Amino acid sequence: ETGVTQSPTHLIKTRGQQVTLRCSSQSGHNTVSWYQQALGQGPQFIFQYYREEENGRGNFPPRFSGLQFPNYSSELNVNALELDDSALYLCASETPDNTGELFFGEGSRLTVL
Amino acid sequence: SQQGEEDPQALSIQEGENATMNCSYKTSINNLQWYRQNSGRGLVHLILIRSNEREKHSGRLRVTLDTSKKSSSLLITASRAADTASYFCATDEWDDKIIFGKGTRLHILP
Repeated sequence: ETGVTQSPTHLIKTRGQQVTLRCSSQSGHNTVSWYQQALGQGPQFIFQYYREEENGRGNFPPRFSGLQFPNYSSELNVNALELDDSALYLCASETPDNTGELFFGEGSRLTVL
Repeated sequence: SQQGEEDPQALSIQEGENATMNCSYKTSINNLQWYRQNSGRGLVHLILIRSNEREKHSGRLRVTLDTSKKSSSLLITASRAADTASYFCATDEWDDKIIFGKGTRLHILP
């Protein structure tokens, strides 16, 4: 148990729709990163939030956006869904002492039809 | 964003044997980590090795790091059925963000 919870665990959307995924990190973990993992691939870095500000972004289009709240929970929003957005979306938090170790949630499995 | 490469992509061994996986990366790092992922679930941190370390042990795990060759290896000794999973290396080589490789799928045969 990492103490990182994600919701929903599974969801199905159709092309063009919008989706919001949620993540609650461990108490005190002020850095949250989001990753997209396609089937059979490694996690791809989407972006990171530190103290409510975006702190780095991977090679993802602007329709992928995020938020971090004062309690350090976070949301990932994806607009205008495409079939290739079907993937496992993983949230990971880090301790304030920045050891580099990531604590992952179990992920949200998104299927776009 | 940069991504490390694990080798082999897939590995099947008999229970009790040792499993070795390798990882290569492209630029300088502060540390390298290994994670395990059971099918369709979140990743679990296994071990972190810093750039000034050459070898690290944790239980049945042994990790080596060769910064001159930009490579690392993960050895799992006396493998068990529960070790069946995907294993990923991760580095902080891209803007201090943690970037993952494509993984090695390990299958332990009974």
